[in-house]
Amino acid sequence: AQSVTQPDIHITVSEGASLELRCNYSYGATPYLFWYVQSPGQGLQLLLKYFSGDTLVQGIKGFEAEFKRSQSSFNLRKPSVHWSDAAEYFCGGDNQGGKLIFGQGTELSVKP
Amino acid sequence: DVKVTQSSRYLVKRTGEKVFLECVQDMDHENMFWYRQDPGLGLRLIYFSYDVKMKEKGDIPEGYSVSREKKERFSLILESASTNQTSMYLCASSYPDSYQPQHFGDGTRLSIL
Repeated sequence: AQSVTQPDIHITVSEGASLELRCNYSYGATPYLFWYVQSPGQGLQLLLKYFSGDTLVQGIKGFEAEFKRSQSSFNLRKPSVHWSDAAEYFCGGDNQGGKLIFGQGTELSVKP
Repeated sequence: DVKVTQSSRYLVKRTGEKVFLECVQDMDHENMFWYRQDPGLGLRLIYFSYDVKMKEKGDIPEGYSVSREKKERFSLILESASTNQTSMYLCASSYPDSYQPQHFGDGTRLSIL
């Protein structure tokens, strides 16, 4: 069955430290892949997306993600985390004409 | 900028009531979606619609129905609300192509007492 998995439910990093959030997908073919961020009390905001071409994609707010077909992964990274990055992050995949499957989400806490 | 507006941020209803959640988008998107979000479960798709008067079941449609009479509006209906439907509900819209991202509203936090 098609699925998207985020193995880490909760991650805490210190402000200024680097960040990597993991996302693995299970699809017959390479899906279109997205990362969204949800601040408390808000809806989801698109950070970045991958559908072809360069496997390293740049997004908003200084985030990037790397698609690795051999590992079925699409991990989100940021070189230096800011306190305002504290939020919940969702990875999603789509190969059914617009229907997304989301991972369970990773909550990010940032220590001062 | 795309705007997806959900009619209520917070809603409190009683068991057995018929509940309507409304969603309006202003970008002429063909696709619209309703999700519920629960801790540890992520977002789960309830229903979606690819066109006016067209609907398809998502992963958890039981206890819900939808209505799409106009392209910009997609309503979620809880026919007889139950306490296990207490949740955050998110509406989204998008163009029909798979590479087009979904745009989300701010959500409705629904409590069923």
